[in-house]
Amino acid sequence: GAVVSQHPSRVICKSGTSVKIECRSLDFQATTMFWYRQFPKQSLMLMATSNEGSKATYEQGVEKDKFLINHASLTLSTLTVTSAHPEDSSFYICSAPSEAGVQETQYFGPGTRLLVL
Amino acid sequence: AQSVSQHNHHVILSEAASLELGCNYSYGGTVNLFWYVQYPGQHLQLLLKYFSGDPLVKGIKGFEAEFIKSKFSFNLRKPSVQWSDTAEYFCAVNARGATNKLIFGTGTLLAVQP
Repeated sequence: GAVVSQHPSRVICKSGTSVKIECRSLDFQATTMFWYRQFPKQSLMLMATSNEGSKATYEQGVEKDKFLINHASLTLSTLTVTSAHPEDSSFYICSAPSEAGVQETQYFGPGTRLLVL
Repeated sequence: AQSVSQHNHHVILSEAASLELGCNYSYGGTVNLFWYVQYPGQHLQLLLKYFSGDPLVKGIKGFEAEFIKSKFSFNLRKPSVQWSDTAEYFCAVNARGATNKLIFGTGTLLAVQP
């Protein structure tokens, strides 16, 4: 099946620094990717839709300037958490549909655990 | 706005017991429905999905789910669970004809005792 990777798998950073998380589709192209955030013992909350070649679409309540998304190619989307604070500590997961269209299966990355000290 | 609710937050079963996890969604239009599983330390994997056709959907590892449109439900079932089914299960919905973005339920943590 389709594979989505994320890097790094975990990161610890100091408050005020920025952290970049990469999401790659390894054996397929993805014009759209999705970024989720998962708090402990809670569900995945969609943060934004990453669109190749255009601006990301953010969900209500998600700060665009805080969570910068760049979809530079058909296989790579990056999420940068700018000026991270302890409340940004969470598990960030990306996903991508394996084919273009609206009824395709999402494939999920393994997630990136961010800890901000 | 779409929403998904999973009523069971934690379920503990013995091996060979039957499983049913509830999932209800709120959306006025046509939806695609999914169940995902997250085994300890692993990423989300698709168990099964419903787009159209037979409302009883069979997935991997002996799981099935039934879409009941009148009840806005998509409950997950397995007749006999195994210890290896210990995981967290997420129901998800997306609005057909819209983007691919998924709305997830809060998840159900299943622990199967050997």
